[in-house]
Amino acid sequence: GQNIDQPTEMTATEGAIVQINCTYQTSGFNGLFWYQQHAGEAPTFLSYNVLDGLEEKGRFSSFLSRSKGYSYLLLKELQMKDSASYLCAVRDSNYQLIWGAGTKLIIKP
Amino acid sequence: IAGITQAPTSQILAAGRRMTLRCTQDMRHNAMYWYRQDLGLGLRLIHYSNTAGTTGKGEVPDGYSVSRANTDDFPLTLASAVPSQTSVYFCASSAGPSGELFFGEGSRLTVL
Repeated sequence: GQNIDQPTEMTATEGAIVQINCTYQTSGFNGLFWYQQHAGEAPTFLSYNVLDGLEEKGRFSSFLSRSKGYSYLLLKELQMKDSASYLCAVRDSNYQLIWGAGTKLIIKP
Repeated sequence: IAGITQAPTSQILAAGRRMTLRCTQDMRHNAMYWYRQDLGLGLRLIHYSNTAGTTGKGEVPDGYSVSRANTDDFPLTLASAVPSQTSVYFCASSAGPSGELFFGEGSRLTVL
């Protein structure tokens, strides 16, 4: 079956750096997405990786290794507003998105 | 800029009743999707439509139906609601099957 694994919850300190990992086993691969979802709100797009390597966008970076079935989202200079769930999703060979259950990130002062 | 609008935002429904969740987008996106989100589980695809006039079944389609009469609207109908359909429902759209998804604000449905 298809599977996306990410930690259920992580805690970090304001101003620090945190890395959220995502491993996947899917039928084919056509890209990996990271979304941010604040409590009670809709998911919003953060990043997209289809080739191996690091994509940097401001304080957020996303890394992909297709051979390892692995990605991570790196958040730098953490702010309280970064407290949210982070969802990893992989597009399979049929272009369907397979979603992880999300990682709840708690930022402490 | 509205993006995707869902209605209602919240609803309590008696089991056995029929319910339609509405979804409208103004981005002229071809593809639209309905997901449900339950605690501890990832977003699960209910139904999708790659273009107006076509629909397809997702991972959890049983008990739900959709229609796509035009580009903008993609309603989701529960013919006879059951308590296991209590969930938060998100409508989403993308320019194409490989594009990023844009989500509506969600509809919280409770079936008693």
